[in-house]
Amino acid sequence: AQTVTQSQPEMSVQEAETVTLSCTYDTSESDYYLFWYKQPPSRQMILVIRQEAYKQQNATENRFSVNFQKAAKSFSLKISDSQLGDAAMYFCAYRSDKAAGNKLTFGGGTRVLVKP
Amino acid sequence: DTGVSQNPRHKITKRGQNVTFRCDPISEHNRLYWYRQTLGQGPEFLTYFQNEAQLEKSRLLSDRFSAERPKGSFSTLEIQRTEQGDSAMYLCASSRPFRGLAGGNEQFFGPGTRLTVL
Repeated sequence: AQTVTQSQPEMSVQEAETVTLSCTYDTSESDYYLFWYKQPPSRQMILVIRQEAYKQQNATENRFSVNFQKAAKSFSLKISDSQLGDAAMYFCAYRSDKAAGNKLTFGGGTRVLVKP
Repeated sequence: DTGVSQNPRHKITKRGQNVTFRCDPISEHNRLYWYRQTLGQGPEFLTYFQNEAQLEKSRLLSDRFSAERPKGSFSTLEIQRTEQGDSAMYLCASSRPFRGLAGGNEQFFGPGTRLTVL
């Protein structure tokens, strides 16, 4: 079974600065997807960024970028130019490309606090 | 708004009572997922439907839990004889049909139903 680990329960960042969230995962599969989801307080979870394991190039979405290290099974998220609206729980998630249903396996989450 | 909706948003019940939650997915999404999220944790997969067929159930889904999607549209999750350990946020998500490696079909989440069992 796949597992996803987020070792940082909470990270604090100054507005306009950069913060990096860590995520490691364990799998024996070669084809899979990795995701970062954002869950603001009392609001629904939204997808921040997605990485296909077969792609070597790291995904970027505006101020959000990932560092995908397939051999090390590491998938970190960098938030640049942090804004107050970035404050939320961030979850790293894994999805097999072979298993039926494509369910998501989530890490425990990292709370991001943004200081004005 | 054409996003995933869930009702009720909050439910408080006494131990031993039955509760039912509803999820309305995005129209044309044929896959529907249920997850459970306890406080301070990431969501955990419970079950999923493709159209009206329930194709996978987690071992977290005890006999007291039952989910249906009778016409392949909305889904219900019922918990019988609730226990305090059932207190959690129940999340629903939906996605389009999977289209292979290039598809990467995204799961869209609803706001969740927060259950408190007293």
